[in-house]
Amino acid sequence: QQQVKQSPQSLIVQKGGISIINCAYENTAFDYFPWYQQFPGKGPALLIAIRPDVSEKKEGRFTISFNKSAKQFSLHIMDSQPGDSATYFCAAGGSGGGADGLTFGKGTHLIIQP
Amino acid sequence: DAGVIQSPRHEVTEMGQEVTLRCKPISGHNSLFWYRQTMMRGLELLIYFNNNVPIDDSGMPEDRFSAKMPNASFSTLKIQPSEPRDSAVYFCASSFPAGGPYEQYFGPGTRLTVT
Repeated sequence: QQQVKQSPQSLIVQKGGISIINCAYENTAFDYFPWYQQFPGKGPALLIAIRPDVSEKKEGRFTISFNKSAKQFSLHIMDSQPGDSATYFCAAGGSGGGADGLTFGKGTHLIIQP
Repeated sequence: DAGVIQSPRHEVTEMGQEVTLRCKPISGHNSLFWYRQTMMRGLELLIYFNNNVPIDDSGMPEDRFSAKMPNASFSTLKIQPSEPRDSAVYFCASSFPAGGPYEQYFGPGTRLTVT
């Protein structure tokens, strides 16, 4: 499988701060880039996703920034809250219209300190 | 909707035994995926089906692993014989690509421990 590299592995942010997680991919055929949030003992849940035809997508406090030429994308969590403490995964998918499997990054364990 | 349903939620078995994991996708979804999650390797795609047909099983680690989808509402992942290195959390996910972008919905997972 093609790689998706995610950093950092762990991140501690103060309440109200901005959490930033970065990912890079290799395969230019990827055209779907979701972020998943996972709480302990639960399955990953889709948080937000972007296609390469836009450079940024915002949903509430969550923003994806996408740089197609650099093959990088990032998740920004504004006004981070303790309830945001979870593991976040970036992923990349092909052009199968949702019918393709996803390639995941290794995950970032985010802790928001009160 | 009940979401993706997986059973059992926990499975403890001895090395050499056969293990069968079960998944019921969201009704109406026509793509189904099996993933495995470990600390060392993260989330890995094992196999996926479109309209009950296996499309890509290149992620299946060995011949000991097999998956079937006999109908649109049921899939199994079987490990025979099981080994301690198969210990992981196995997730099933489903999607409906024709009806919306690319969203994959994950089940709660089956935590497998092979002793």
